[in-house]
Amino acid sequence: GQQLNQSPQSMFIQEGEDVSMNCTSSSIFNTWLWYKQDPGEGPVLLIALYKAGELTSNGRLTAQFGITRKDSFLNISASIPSDVGIYFCAGNSGGSNYKLTFGKGTLLTVNP
Amino acid sequence: KAGVTQTPRYLIKTRGQQVTLSCSPISGHRSVSWYQQTPGQGLQFLFEYFSETQRNKGNFPGRFSGRQFSNSRSEMNVSTLELGDSALYLCASSDRSGGETQYFGPGTRLLVL
Repeated sequence: GQQLNQSPQSMFIQEGEDVSMNCTSSSIFNTWLWYKQDPGEGPVLLIALYKAGELTSNGRLTAQFGITRKDSFLNISASIPSDVGIYFCAGNSGGSNYKLTFGKGTLLTVNP
Repeated sequence: KAGVTQTPRYLIKTRGQQVTLSCSPISGHRSVSWYQQTPGQGLQFLFEYFSETQRNKGNFPGRFSGRQFSNSRSEMNVSTLELGDSALYLCASSDRSGGETQYFGPGTRLLVL
C-alpha cells in the first residue's frame, strides 16, 4: 500500500529560527495537505496543494508540491512559541481512492 | 460556518461493549471520513461516506462500521470492544466529491478498560 515517510520525527528549535520538514511517498499523489495538531484536538488544515510544482504560502508557512508528485515540504519562517505541535503531511492519490494517507508526524518544540 | 463537531468528546467503555460515535460535518459538506489515531499506528483511515453511501473502506475488522444520514451526519459503531480499540477517533468532512481537502473535528477519545 501507499506509504508516506515524514522527516524529521522531531525538532527542537529556538524562537525566531526557520523550520523545514518534508514528506516522500512511494507512489504518486494528486493532492498534498499539511495539518497541525495540538494535544487533545483534531488536525487543523494549514495548506492544501493540488498541482505538481505548486508553491503556496499561508502567513509564515510555505509548502510545495514536488515536481515528481511523490514529495512535498513545509517551511515555517521565524518560528514563535505557538508553532509548537505535531505537523502531519497527508496525500491523496485521487481517482476512486477517497482516503488520505498520513505521515507519522513531526513534533516541533520551540524554545522561547 | 461552524466546524466539524463530534460527540461525545470522551468515552470510557469495557471490553466486549459496543460504542457509537457521532459526527456532524461542516454545513454543505456531503463527504465524511473516519480515522483512528493511536501513538503506535498514527492516523489510519477507517471509511468514507458520501450521500449515504460508503465509498471506501480501510483495513479494519468488521467490528467497525458506519453509516451516514440524509442530512450528512455520520455515525461510527464499534462492536465487541477490545483493549486495542482505545484511540482518538477523528471525523473529517469535505465539500468535494473526491474528499481530497478534509477538515477535521476535535475527535472522540475512547478508552477501553
